[in-house]
Amino acid sequence: DAGITQSPRHKVTETGTPVTLRCHQTENHRYMYWYRQDPGHGLRLIHYSYGVKDTDKGEVSDGYSVSRSKTEDFLLTLESATSSQTSVYFCATKAGGNTDTQYFGPGTRLTVL
Amino acid sequence: DAKTTQPTSMDCAEGRAANLPCNHSTISGNEYVYWYRQIHSQGPQYIIHGLKNNETNEMASLIITEDRKSSTLILPHATLRDTAVYYCIVRVAGGSARQLTFGSGTQLTVLP
Repeated sequence: DAGITQSPRHKVTETGTPVTLRCHQTENHRYMYWYRQDPGHGLRLIHYSYGVKDTDKGEVSDGYSVSRSKTEDFLLTLESATSSQTSVYFCATKAGGNTDTQYFGPGTRLTVL
Repeated sequence: DAKTTQPTSMDCAEGRAANLPCNHSTISGNEYVYWYRQIHSQGPQYIIHGLKNNETNEMASLIITEDRKSSTLILPHATLRDTAVYYCIVRVAGGSARQLTFGSGTQLTVLP
């Protein structure tokens, strides 16, 4: 939905290594989100963006940073990956205006050893 | 956002209608009912939403009671691929960047 792709789809890395996940959308949606999903916790918001270069923190932002230099791309960076960041990461988008529907990407499964 | 209550799990025979209930007794006048689902290992998928009128799209129908305190998502001819966790979410529609909050949802299993 909403032409959302995420890359990579799977990644295994080691503790202390920097990691960047990419979300790309083709629908020109204004808002973009990064969530993580872990057993027993459901979806939790990491960071979100409400426009190019406009980002803000979500409920679990520690250890993560984001950037949005173009409407279509939203990058999530783990500066120094830890085992607690092993998770499935989902990107989502939402159009502006009077709509609240979010469209999700296929997810990235990240394992930090 | 108003609290919602859904059954933990339901089964449905393939080809039959799946009726998934949701209670939202504290819903306020400007809150919409949204349904999403998550098939195992995939991202959540938007299904349908409505305010007070019944809604239908290519995936499902949404029936909202007149007092708006409950709703039912109907998958008219369930297939094995409809096996998923279904989430009912109540929230005000708008242009803000608020996150979606998923509850526990209903695990629907479509049986052959």
